[in-house]
Amino acid sequence: LAKTTQPISMDSYEGQEVNITCSHNNIATNDYITWYQQFPSQGPRFIIQGYKTKVTNEVASLFIPADRKSSTLSLPRVSLSDTAVYYCLVGDPIKAAGNKLTFGGGTRVLVKP
Amino acid sequence: NAGVTQTPKFQVLKTGQSMTLQCAQDMNHNSMYWYRQDPGMGLRLIYYSASEGTTDKGEVPNGYNVSRLNKREFSLRLESAAPSQTSVYFCASSEGTDSSYEQYFGPGTRLTVT
Repeated sequence: LAKTTQPISMDSYEGQEVNITCSHNNIATNDYITWYQQFPSQGPRFIIQGYKTKVTNEVASLFIPADRKSSTLSLPRVSLSDTAVYYCLVGDPIKAAGNKLTFGGGTRVLVKP
Repeated sequence: NAGVTQTPKFQVLKTGQSMTLQCAQDMNHNSMYWYRQDPGMGLRLIYYSASEGTTDKGEVPNGYNVSRLNKREFSLRLESAAPSQTSVYFCASSEGTDSSYEQYFGPGTRLTVT
């Protein structure tokens, strides 16, 4: 089970790009990297998932270097509504049920006006 | 299409009381999960069900039982509530395939045990 390490908190301003890096030194060959967003009093929401290189969707980009020992979630031009906790999750989707699903402490992102 | 629904939204129990948290999904998902989230912490997996008819323990199963009633419903039971079980409980579901790691979460049940 790959342990993840991410910053506890980050501050940013509206319109800026926010980059959150997650370390996962013991990532396994079949593991994917997934990011979730959680607003207060709500369940987490899936943002993006990747295996290697770069993945982009309508809300974020995920950069994964060749050694896959870390990954960076990039949120372009954040707004106040992007204030949330962001979780990095590493695991094997084939064995996705149960013990492979571990949420760490997350990164609290505060977007200021 | 309501997604994942949970009942109740709030509950207060006295130590030793029992209760069942209900969860249902209408996305025809194979896998369902129960998590707890303590204040300021990440989510911890209690139990999961990879498919209808199967259940298994997660990271923190002690003090809980689950039932996968059918493909749609997955309930969590506290037989004898303890103050340490005060938490927010989230149910989630996923397709359970090897191509997606995306889980859909319900709105949560806020439980207080006094």
